[in-house]
Amino acid sequence: DAGVTQSPTHLIKTRGQQVTLRCSPKSGHDTVSWYQQALGQGPQFIFQYYEEEERQRGNFPDRFSGHQFPNYSSELNVNALLLGDSALYLCASSSPLRKETQYFGPGTRLLVL
Amino acid sequence: AQSVTQLDSQVPVFEEAPVELRCNYSSSVSVYLFWYVQYPNQGLQLLLKYLSGSTLVKGINGFEAEFNKSQTSFHLRKPSVHISDTAEYFCAVTPPGNAGNMLTFGGGTRLMVKP
Repeated sequence: DAGVTQSPTHLIKTRGQQVTLRCSPKSGHDTVSWYQQALGQGPQFIFQYYEEEERQRGNFPDRFSGHQFPNYSSELNVNALLLGDSALYLCASSSPLRKETQYFGPGTRLLVL
Repeated sequence: AQSVTQLDSQVPVFEEAPVELRCNYSSSVSVYLFWYVQYPNQGLQLLLKYLSGSTLVKGINGFEAEFNKSQTSFHLRKPSVHISDTAEYFCAVTPPGNAGNMLTFGGGTRLMVKP
């Protein structure tokens, strides 16, 4: 049973560019959440998708947007990249009956130069 | 809103010694509690969780944690650590229910197991 998968594993961008990160949830999971983990810090909640809609959002600007597809996979888009967007981006998924228990993927490490 | 405080940023310990990683939380409502472990250059792995019932919960890799409602704590313990336990440990909370469940994390505790 495949766990949560994310692509790419690493990414280097320059300021002002746009980036798209991808996530496939665990089999049977329908809810996807995204977190940003800056170096040396705990993860910070960005937003959560369920039934192809954004259900909750953390304290992140509109430059951060997302999408969920009918197969429950998800994308995180960040526009107008800033140096401060450099971080590990983690995707987590949860099942319909246990939404509080989230399982994380390996993350995408984004470096903005 | 919830907040989580992990009181120790680093905990050095010798192999086979016991360890306790401390976690305190603040919330105006009841919460579910979690401990995750992050090995270098990896994502987060769920160690254990408290949803309800017995306040002592057992997790993977020999870890356990005790929920103390009066002290709003959820400390993680292991009676004998191994070199392979060297990692970053995160405590997290979320409000109960099956609606949107954003996790609020603490800043992490780096467990360093020395031979």
